[in-house]
Amino acid sequence: SQQGEEDPQALSIQEGENATMNCSYKTSINNLQWYRQNSGRGLVHLILIRSNEREKHSGRLRVTLDTSKKSSSLLITASRAADTASYFCATDRNRDDKIIFGKGTRLHILP
Amino acid sequence: NAGVTQTPKFQVLKTGQSMTLQCAQDMNHEYMSWYRQDPGMGLRLIHYSVGAGITDQGEVPNGYNVSRSTTEDFPLRLLSAAPSQTSVYFCASSSGLAGVDEQFFGPGTRLTVL
Repeated sequence: SQQGEEDPQALSIQEGENATMNCSYKTSINNLQWYRQNSGRGLVHLILIRSNEREKHSGRLRVTLDTSKKSSSLLITASRAADTASYFCATDRNRDDKIIFGKGTRLHILP
Repeated sequence: NAGVTQTPKFQVLKTGQSMTLQCAQDMNHEYMSWYRQDPGMGLRLIHYSVGAGITDQGEVPNGYNVSRSTTEDFPLRLLSAAPSQTSVYFCASSSGLAGVDEQFFGPGTRLTVL
């Protein structure tokens, strides 16, 4: 069963703009992670945020977590063509040994 | 370091055939996992292993077997291929458990079952 659901399913923005995508989940979690997948490639880990954290930054990435709403957002600032990819959230449902991926947001950066 | 390697990159099978997808990592990671990805879907966990000799089922284990005889290798066996197993298969590894540690993914194996 799907735990995390990303929104929107697809997003197109101009290069230089900020991109925001959201993830909602159903059951309580210990941690939430975001991964990126370039077309036809394996996933690459972006960031992990713990349930007791509200916000985390990594370079141009900003992740927020609202456990009361069971939702997270990923903000990519000053987007670049290389950011074109699919972005997935993954949650653990209070288990450390496995994570559940959402269906992803397809981000397309227009030149 | 080669990271996580998968072979083959592409495979076509006929219904009922069996095969093994290979996965190896050279990072001395204890945790390894297999996922499948279908069009428009996220990754779904098939099987995982928290160390040599230990395996467990994920969300969609039916039709697949795994074993973990060494830290480095985690092969996935399709017992009797079915068209529903047409998918892209990814192997991943991490030093800690998937929920608390970054997973490193292989490049994937694209499998078609006719």
